[in-house]
Amino acid sequence: DTAVSQTPKYLVTQMGNDKSIKCEQNLGHDTMYWYKQDSKKFLKIMFSYNNKELIINETVPNRFSPKSPDKAHLNLHINSLELGDSAVYFCASSLLGNEQFFGPGTRLTVL
Amino acid sequence: KNQVEQSPQSLIILEGKNCTLQCNYTVSPFSNLRWYKQDTGRGPVSLTIMTFSENTKSNGRYTATLDADTKQSSLHITASQLSDSASYICVVSYKAAGNKLTFGGGTRVLVKP
Repeated sequence: DTAVSQTPKYLVTQMGNDKSIKCEQNLGHDTMYWYKQDSKKFLKIMFSYNNKELIINETVPNRFSPKSPDKAHLNLHINSLELGDSAVYFCASSLLGNEQFFGPGTRLTVL
Repeated sequence: KNQVEQSPQSLIILEGKNCTLQCNYTVSPFSNLRWYKQDTGRGPVSLTIMTFSENTKSNGRYTATLDADTKQSSLHITASQLSDSASYICVVSYKAAGNKLTFGGGTRVLVKP
């Protein structure tokens, strides 16, 4: 299936831990994104990579570090998790400037 | 500050009825406006996308309108079905910084039989 996929779908962890979320797209897109959707359902851009180069880096704590090993993958590593990091994280991809296709989301719960 | 505001926050309608969702934005310079549908527990899926020069776009029972002068958009759902129950998100693309998207908070629509 052609799609944007994320793993894991659910992640429950303790405060202070380090965790990673993985994203892969097989749509041939050149741009990938990470969004955070908070409890009020607003989606906010965190990072965007175009051809493995960081092009959008919003005001996000440096505990969050994206890594793009190739155009089809964009992973998100989070250090020293805090309660406020609990949210749904969405990966998306597009051809630059065009329609974005979203993954199914990863629901992160920090206890 | 670039913002996108949607109303109402939530809406309950009976199956078969029509409804209209509103979106006001202050994003400038504007590139395009999109409406997404987000089912519970899923990622958003694009319904329509309109550029500055377009004032209406349809996708099946969904019709979006855009008034770039007043910076308003609406999404009209015709003959609602139970499967239309979802959040509908208005998204405006900012014509700079890699066409960054600014999301509204969404309108939650519940269609009852």
